[in-house]
Amino acid sequence: RKEVEQDPGPFNVPEGATVAFNCTYSNSASQSFFWYRQDCRKEPKLLMSVYSSGNEDGRFTAQLNRASQYISLLIRDSKLSDSATYLCVVSRYYGQNFVFGPGTRLSVLP
Amino acid sequence: GAGVSQSPSNKVTEKGKDVELRCDPISGHTALYWYRQSLGQGLEFLIYFQGNSAPDKSGLPSDRFSAERTGGSVSTLTIQRTQQEDSAVYLCASRIGAETQYFGPGTRLLVL
Repeated sequence: RKEVEQDPGPFNVPEGATVAFNCTYSNSASQSFFWYRQDCRKEPKLLMSVYSSGNEDGRFTAQLNRASQYISLLIRDSKLSDSATYLCVVSRYYGQNFVFGPGTRLSVLP
Repeated sequence: GAGVSQSPSNKVTEKGKDVELRCDPISGHTALYWYRQSLGQGLEFLIYFQGNSAPDKSGLPSDRFSAERTGGSVSTLTIQRTQQEDSAVYLCASRIGAETQYFGPGTRLLVL
């Protein structure tokens, strides 16, 4: 089993739709959690950190459930520019290496 | 300020040759990571440097791969006797403190 697993995708949704991505991690000692987005042939870029209390940034909401070792990302009112691959990232210990999930590809269609 | 830079941006080499990939992290960032990403695949961790500590080399796929970081700044990833399966995008990232990591644009390596 991979340490970080994500919805296999791809997700094809119309503009304005709400879409949710799921991620699970296997190491209960994991401390830090993030969502990155990666555009085609570009480097990954931080979308948002994920906090235990959940956090929101505009149309994006991230949730963390430590008991279930589950992370989610919700995108409301999808835009064409949201089309990308979304990567779930987990850091086991403070300052240690980051483990990337395989990513979920999103295509927002006009 | 300047982000993470990598060079070359593209590298084509012949099977069996050695290659060196360079990463210039963000100034002051103490942590530096190397990853590789094959076409359509996720990121594969290779190696991690943190300050003056011994690097975490647990992700290096074989002894043909090595990396060093001089003076706590610039890092070089070396692949000896390249094989076709080494073809990938090699990404470098740096980080400071509790922040997340910032990626460079990557080096696209093609081994013929």
